Amino acid sequence: DVKVTQSSRYLVKRTGEKVFLECVQDMDHENMFWYRQDPGLGLRLIYFSYDVKMKEKGDIPEGYSVSREKKERFSLILESASTNQTSMYLCASSLGAWNTEAFFGQGTRLTVV
Amino acid sequence: GNSVTQMEGPVTLSEEAFLTINCTYTATGYPSLFWYVQYPGEGLQLLLKATKADDKGSNKGFEATYRKETTSFHLEKGSVQVSDSAVYFCALRDYGQNFVFGPGTRLSVLP
Repeated sequence: DVKVTQSSRYLVKRTGEKVFLECVQDMDHENMFWYRQDPGLGLRLIYFSYDVKMKEKGDIPEGYSVSREKKERFSLILESASTNQTSMYLCASSLGAWNTEAFFGQGTRLTVV
Repeated sequence: GNSVTQMEGPVTLSEEAFLTINCTYTATGYPSLFWYVQYPGEGLQLLLKATKADDKGSNKGFEATYRKETTSFHLEKGSVQVSDSAVYFCALRDYGQNFVFGPGTRLSVLP
């Protein structure tokens, strides 16, 4: 089975801290994604990567950056955490073909205080 | 751009009732279509998918048929159980590689 693992289930950080969310997949997928999920807003794409060292902005990239130095790992970075970044963060991976599905991690619930 | 519209929830049903969750999409090409399910506190899990017109995806008693003429992919189940209580997301993927998700429909099944 494909496994997408996020480094933390729950995280509490202080305003202004630099926060790293890590995601690792074990199926050699080319594509990786970071979403945030908020009540009433559904899933919003922050960044995605279609290959190592490649990244593209999604719908809400402001305040975030990403890193993909190895194929299996995709990191989301909050440069200076703010309370409005309190959310559920979901990582996903997929093969590159349009007819293949995404596999999701279990999510990281981040609270910024 | 591409988009996915789902019926607004929450949907509340009694156990063994018939379930329909409507999903329609807008896409420039011929996307693949997916239904995902999210249980409380978890990530999304693929429930079923269809990759071309008239394909029927099915899993765990759930079914959905890719209807190109009506641009729809409605989710159905003949008899829901309490354990089906979750949030259901309709999604599409086009040749641009990205997924587009609907807003999600929360289903509550009462015993």
